[in-house]
Amino acid sequence: ETGVTQSPTHLIKTRGQQVTLRCSSQSGHNTVSWYQQALGQGPQFIFQYYREEENGRGNFPPRFSGLQFPNYSSELNVNALELDDSALYLCASSLPFDGSEQFFGPGTRLTVL
Amino acid sequence: RKEVEQDPGPFNVPEGATVAFNCTYSNSASQSFFWYRQDCRKEPKLLMSVYSSGNEDGRFTAQLNRASQYISLLIRDSKLSDSATYLCVARLTGGGNKLTFGTGTQLKVEL
Repeated sequence: ETGVTQSPTHLIKTRGQQVTLRCSSQSGHNTVSWYQQALGQGPQFIFQYYREEENGRGNFPPRFSGLQFPNYSSELNVNALELDDSALYLCASSLPFDGSEQFFGPGTRLTVL
Repeated sequence: RKEVEQDPGPFNVPEGATVAFNCTYSNSASQSFFWYRQDCRKEPKLLMSVYSSGNEDGRFTAQLNRASQYISLLIRDSKLSDSATYLCVARLTGGGNKLTFGTGTQLKVEL
């Protein structure tokens, strides 16, 4: 086990709703990255948080937003859900150095109906 | 064109076989490369880093060719437990530790 936890494990929402996903990083890790993995695809980078600030963002619209808290846990918020947002959402924690390994949590599986 | 491209498979091989996966990347600024393993409906886990000099970890050998922007993974003496999806991953140095994943190659090892 990596020590990275995510909640909830599964979630079903309807189109237009909003969702908040949560991630607790591994002890000592102050950097959290979020990825979206659609069925049959590899994970796609959404954004990264370091010391409560966004530190890099992938090609995702502004309705994907995030937060990091002083204890390094993080939230991913998605507004105005679309059917294509159905995916496995993974968070990964790491140290802030370029070479540090990212440890993934088990993911939250979001289904949008 | 995707930044990291892989053949999605599936590769169905008998137990004991040797299997090779290939991957190409388009961003020549990519500096670090990895293979991750992902079991069905689970999170990706780091299998091994990939170096130009080639590196080996037991039955697994990874190789990077920077001139061709090509990465490979060789699995010898395949086990049933090797059945999984193998993700090729690139990282830009100074890119905020952002990982760029391929779509993954599915391996099924059969009796």
